[in-house]
Amino acid sequence: SSELTQDPAVSVALGQTVRITCQGDSLRTYLASWYQLKPGQAPVLVMYGKNNRPSGIPDRFSGSSSGTTASLTITGAQAEDEADYYCKSRDSSGYHVVFGGGTKLTVL
Amino acid sequence: EVQLVESGGGLVQPGGSLRLSCTASGFIFSNYAMTWVRQAPGKGLEWVSSISNNGVDTYYADSVKGRFTISRDNSKKTLYLHMNSLRADDTALYHCAKYWVASVPSVDDGFDIWGQGTMVTVSS
Repeated sequence: SSELTQDPAVSVALGQTVRITCQGDSLRTYLASWYQLKPGQAPVLVMYGKNNRPSGIPDRFSGSSSGTTASLTITGAQAEDEADYYCKSRDSSGYHVVFGGGTKLTVL
Repeated sequence: EVQLVESGGGLVQPGGSLRLSCTASGFIFSNYAMTWVRQAPGKGLEWVSSISNNGVDTYYADSVKGRFTISRDNSKKTLYLHMNSLRADDTALYHCAKYWVASVPSVDDGFDIWGQGTMVTVSS
């Protein structure tokens, strides 16, 4: 079982705001990063660190972290944001990478 | 263009072996740690193994430890995953990915470039 917990599915109306969360004790020590997966495509890094967007990622994506919870927020969700989103951090030992179980985002 | 291209996947019988390769271009390969991540059909992402930029430090998921070996050849800009004693539950799309740091683990590390993946199917 994953040491990072994500809601399996979330939906958002087009243009509205959605927050995807990731919970785990190791997030007190290790920062999370977020990855977007679309069918048939390589995963894409969309957020890392406390709130850092890689170049090319729209500014509607933002991140935050507090205690044992990391969050990815999409402000003004677009149809192309429909995808699976995974958080990634480390386990309590620090030596192993862990992914959350993934959140399927549906844009209505 | 920064790119990672995996190869070496295929159909293999249970108990068999396979070697995956990941060829890098567009960045200084020897400056960054690398990793393998897999996704079984219908499942989520699962970390498999990581290696530091100089190849000295390696890490494995419990599910593959003792069966898989990660290595790299910085002169060839290539990452490898040697897989032995393959099982049906190793069936997955295997991605290689680049860390944005040289040495792992670190408090803030992750994967900024991913390959498209190579499919491994373990079946008789």
